[in-house]
Amino acid sequence: AQSVSQHNHHVILSEAASLELGCNYSYGGTVNLFWYVQYPGQHLQLLLKYFSGDPLVKGIKGFEAEFIKSKFSFNLRKPSVQWSDTAEYFCAGRNDMRFGAGTRLTVKP
Amino acid sequence: NAGVTQTPKFRVLKTGQSMTLLCAQDMNHEYMYWYRQDPGMGLRLIHYSVGEGTTAKGEVPDGYNVSRLKKQNFLLGLESAAPSQTSVYFCASSYSFLGGLAKNIQYFGAGTRLSVL
Repeated sequence: AQSVSQHNHHVILSEAASLELGCNYSYGGTVNLFWYVQYPGQHLQLLLKYFSGDPLVKGIKGFEAEFIKSKFSFNLRKPSVQWSDTAEYFCAGRNDMRFGAGTRLTVKP
Repeated sequence: NAGVTQTPKFRVLKTGQSMTLLCAQDMNHEYMYWYRQDPGMGLRLIHYSVGEGTTAKGEVPDGYNVSRLKKQNFLLGLESAAPSQTSVYFCASSYSFLGGLAKNIQYFGAGTRLSVL
């Protein structure tokens, strides 16, 4: 069974809109959660990660994510998206590195 | 720094042919991984290695074999390619698979696009 799930498959936003991409995990024990981004034609790179401590994690390029244990969620947020944020976003978790199915974000200029 | 390098970048095979994908990393990482990326399914782990000479199965290992003869290299083999193996293959490496708070970050290669006809 998928241990990390992303429910938004394709999100289309206009520039300056706020973004929230959902990620839920379904396992117990040690929680290691990540968000990776894949820009068109490029390889995956880490946006941010959560291992413990402050549940609000800040990453690169203005992205942040909040770990909510009671909701088993680790949603990715950005207050104001740019056209350059167009990419595919993957949530990943657990030590065997299961990835969610990915969310394709299209930002219209 | 080269990071994680995959060769080849593109390949077209006929059903039944064999091939090997090469992944090389220059970061002295212990752990290496092979994934396949398919539309709507994200990345799925094929095989991984926690050190030179060791390999283990991931989520979708059938039809693939791997070898880690040298720490810096991780090879993925397809003995008899099938159309279902048409995919984009990504290699990744990391310092540590278990434990180490800041050491489970994966670094990815640019991918190999494989088509099996």
